[in-house]
Amino acid sequence: AQTVTQSQPEMSVQEAETVTLSCTYDTSESDYYLFWYKQPPSRQMILVIRQEAYKQQNATENRFSVNFQKAAKSFSLKISDSQLGDAAMYFCAYRSKAAGNKLTFGGGTRVLVKP
Amino acid sequence: GAGVSQSPSNKVTEKGKDVELRCDPISGHTALYWYRQSLGQGLEFLIYFQGNSAPDKSGLPSDRFSAERTGGSVSTLTIQRTQQEDSAVYLCASSFRGIRTEAFFGQGTRLTVV
Repeated sequence: AQTVTQSQPEMSVQEAETVTLSCTYDTSESDYYLFWYKQPPSRQMILVIRQEAYKQQNATENRFSVNFQKAAKSFSLKISDSQLGDAAMYFCAYRSKAAGNKLTFGGGTRVLVKP
Repeated sequence: GAGVSQSPSNKVTEKGKDVELRCDPISGHTALYWYRQSLGQGLEFLIYFQGNSAPDKSGLPSDRFSAERTGGSVSTLTIQRTQQEDSAVYLCASSFRGIRTEAFFGQGTRLTVV
């Protein structure tokens, strides 16, 4: 079964600084997608960024970028120029056809942004 | 509607009662998922629908939990004889078919069993 692990329960960052969140996953499949979701206190899950396993180029969305290391099964998220609105829970997720299309989530990392 | 809608937003029930949680997915989305999130925890998969069929219900924790989807649209998650450990936020998500597509989430139903 696929598993997703986020080893950092909480991370703190100074406003305007950079923070990197770790995520590792376990799979024997070759065709899959990886996602980072943000969950603010409102509970609304918001997609931050996605990465296809077949693409070597790391995905980027404005201040958010990933470091995808397929061989190491690692998928970290970098938040640059952190803003107060970035404070939230961040979840790494895995999805594959072989796993039935469901999203499998890690345990989450809480990001605190200090002004 | 514009997004995934869940109702009620909050539900307080007595232990032993049955509850029904509703999810209205985004129109046209064939895939629908239910997740459970305990306080401060990650998302636990419960069940996945493709159309009206549930090819994966492996996450349902006991036979007290059931779900159905009708007309390829609205889904209802039913918990019978609720227990205190059922207290959690229940999240629903929907998407088009395919692993690349974005899953959109509702704001969840917070269930409290007293």
